[in-house]
Amino acid sequence: GENVEQHPSTLSVQEGDSAVIKCTYSDSASNYFPWYKQELGKGPQLIIDIRSNVGEKKDQRIAVTLNKTAKHFSLHITETQPEDSAVYFCAASNGLSGNQFYFGTGTSLTVIP
Amino acid sequence: GAGVSQSPSNKVTEKGKDVELRCDPISGHTALYWYRQSLGQGLEFLIYFQGNSAPDKSGLPSDRFSAERTGGSVSTLTIQRTQQEDSAVYLCASSPLATYEQYFGPGTRLTVT
Repeated sequence: GENVEQHPSTLSVQEGDSAVIKCTYSDSASNYFPWYKQELGKGPQLIIDIRSNVGEKKDQRIAVTLNKTAKHFSLHITETQPEDSAVYFCAASNGLSGNQFYFGTGTSLTVIP
Repeated sequence: GAGVSQSPSNKVTEKGKDVELRCDPISGHTALYWYRQSLGQGLEFLIYFQGNSAPDKSGLPSDRFSAERTGGSVSTLTIQRTQQEDSAVYLCASSPLATYEQYFGPGTRLTVT
């Protein structure tokens, strides 16, 4: 089955700096890669996703890049703000096997004002 | 519109008791997922429903866990003879047909004493 690894587990950045979180996956059949933000006491919220037919997607301060050859994808947050502080999860899915999703173990991001 | 709702938000139960957790997906979403999130951990897949198809139960950790989805909408996750290791946040997510985006509920925090 699919195995998703996520790094780092914790990340602290100064407000205004960029943050990068990286994930690797093992199943070359995976074709959908979402990123979720989870604030304390809440469920994960989808913030951006990318499908395997593109290499990069951007939405304001958030971008995701995908390298299918190397089987890794990354989340980039620019101009970080204190409200970006949360736990971020990556995931991979191949649309098969019941559309099952495989999640990384999460990155706790702290943006220091 | 209304998002995914879960009830109760918190549940404390004694070891050995049965519990039922409820999920109301977004109206019209055909896919429904249950996940378990232990403290500081990622999301562990439990079960997946898609329309009228047989559910994918491959993630259920033991036969004490079961889930139903009535009328293609509301779902109930039942844990029988609860154990302390069942303590976790149980998250429900729904997804519209033909897309991969998952929308999560706020979760039910289960504590087994």
